Formats: sequence, C-alpha cells, structure tokens
Amino acid sequence: AQSVTQLGSHVSVSEGALVLLRCNYSSSVPPYLFWYVQYPNQGLQLLLKYTTGATLVKGINGFEAEFKKSETSFHLTKPSAHMSDAAEYFCAVSIDTGNQFYFGTGTSLTVIP
Amino acid sequence: DTEVTQTPKHLVMGMTNKKSLKCEQHMGHRAMYWYKQKAKKPPELMFVYSYEKLSINESVPSRFSPECPNSSLLNLHLHALQPEDSALYLCASSQTSTGPLHFGNGTRLTVT
Repeated sequence: AQSVTQLGSHVSVSEGALVLLRCNYSSSVPPYLFWYVQYPNQGLQLLLKYTTGATLVKGINGFEAEFKKSETSFHLTKPSAHMSDAAEYFCAVSIDTGNQFYFGTGTSLTVIP
Repeated sequence: DTEVTQTPKHLVMGMTNKKSLKCEQHMGHRAMYWYKQKAKKPPELMFVYSYEKLSINESVPSRFSPECPNSSLLNLHLHALQPEDSALYLCASSQTSTGPLHFGNGTRLTVT
C-alpha cells in the first residue's frame, strides 16, 4: 500500500525566510509525486510534479522540490517566503495502477510579517 | 482561472431535498473524479470515471449518485443527505491515470 507523510501539520516562517515543507512517501514501485496548494475556499492548485527525469523540479510561484529516492522524500522549498504563500499544502503520490492518488494530511503554512 | 468548472459554488439543502452538482472540463481529459474534503483535511476519493465508465467507487453511500453524460461533464446527484455530508466537494480531471489531477474550485455543500 502507498502512503504519504507530511511532517508538521503547521509551519510558521517569517516573510523572506526559507520555506521547507516535508513529504515522505512509501511505495514499492516508482512513484509520481505532486505538490498542491489550497487557498481558503478554493480547490487544489498544482504547484509542481515529478514523473521521470531530473530529480530537482521547479514549479510555480518560486517553489521547487527534489525527489530523493534513497530517502523516499519529496520536500518542497522556496528561498524567500511571501505573505501570499500562506495556505494549505498537500503532497500527493500516484503509481501506475490507475487513477489512484494518495494525499498527505497537509501542512498549513503561516507567513509572519 | 481554473480549467475545471464546478457549479454551484455554494449549496444549502435539507435532508429530504434532491440536488445535483455539476462539473465541466474542456481539456480533453478522459478521467474525471469526485472528491469530498472536510475542513483542514486532505481530499477523500469518492468516484472515478475513466473513458466515461465508472471505474472506482470508494464504497460511497447510495445517497450519492455519480453520472458522466459525456467526456466533458460529470454530475453528482444528491438525495436524502445527512448533516455529516456537509463538506467541500471537489471535481478533478486528469489526462492520464497517473496524473496530475486538475481540480475545480469546489462546491461548498451544507446539509441542514
């Protein structure tokens, strides 16, 4: 079975500081990995994805993530937090068995002015 | 702007009402999904349609009835809901079975 763990349900950073949101997964087969952001009263918006190829993935809004197979991790980073980054972030995994996506429990990011 | 459109944005219904949620996408995606999301929780899969056929039903109560009239449209028919069914209902689509998912902005459902 697949599972996704997001360490830290709440993360607070100062504006301009580094953002690091952690995601670890368990999968017996090569996974496809995603980060989504959700603002209040909206749906989930895709930030970035890893399928194959380069392990450092760049996404929208200055976010990037690195796939580390040996650590089964896909942590999300942004060098400098902006107030508009305050939102809920979900890590998700899919595998090649058809239309099944496994979500982490989410991390709520607060940006302190 | 999201490429998956959901209507209505908000819905309040009594426990004896019948209502429908609608979802539309024009990206040519062949898989469409219904998710239920409670506050501060991840989305929970309800149904998946692949090539207009129901491929996954996550043991959802029969008071929720999905329908896929064509490859661009997805409906969720609601009948005799319970207050605990109040949630954000999200529609999503994907081009392949491995994603990524493209979400609509959801319908906020309140059952009174």
